[in-house]
Amino acid sequence: SQQGEEDPQALSIQEGENATMNCSYKTSINNLQWYRQNSGRGLVHLILIRSNEREKHSGRLRVTLDTSKKSSSLLITASRAADTASYFCATDPYNNNDMRFGAGTRLTVKP
Amino acid sequence: GAVVSQHPSWVICKSGTSVKIECRSLDFQATTMFWYRQFPKQSLMLMATSNEGSKATYEQGVEKDKFLINHASLTLSTLTVTSAHPEDSSFYICSARPGESSNQPQHFGDGTRLSIL
Repeated sequence: SQQGEEDPQALSIQEGENATMNCSYKTSINNLQWYRQNSGRGLVHLILIRSNEREKHSGRLRVTLDTSKKSSSLLITASRAADTASYFCATDPYNNNDMRFGAGTRLTVKP
Repeated sequence: GAVVSQHPSWVICKSGTSVKIECRSLDFQATTMFWYRQFPKQSLMLMATSNEGSKATYEQGVEKDKFLINHASLTLSTLTVTSAHPEDSSFYICSARPGESSNQPQHFGDGTRLSIL
């Protein structure tokens, strides 16, 4: 069963703008991870944030985690057309070895 | 970085055929590998967790006799879709995680698009 739920389901922006995607989950977690998927391809790991961390950066990516609200956000700054993809959050439940993926946000960055 | 190779990337076959998909971790050992199924524009649904040297753990609703998983070594897991039918057509993706810690990210293969005629 799915754990995370992302919103929005789809997001369309112009190149150079920032894109923010949100993820909510239901159970206690060890960590939360964000992945990117280009159409018809596998997933690429972007960032892992542990349950005791609140914010993490990697290049143009910024991830926040609020365990009290069971939510996370992924911010992509200065977006590029090449950022067009689906983005998924995945949670690693506290007492389970399995990751659960949300439904994903389809991001389109227009040149 | 950690690389997972999945083969084949694309299969078209007749109904009733059995199809084997391979998932290899190329530069790390993976005690556990995961098999997912993804329908168009939807999320990944975990099918089963493949454990080296033991039986796979299947998710509820996944037929273990239909989707045979063999994790023969620390670098190879296979998924065999037995007697495939059109409803089995989907995108299948494997992943592997280096080490035992759940604080390691999963590394994904590029997926296999299976089309059953």
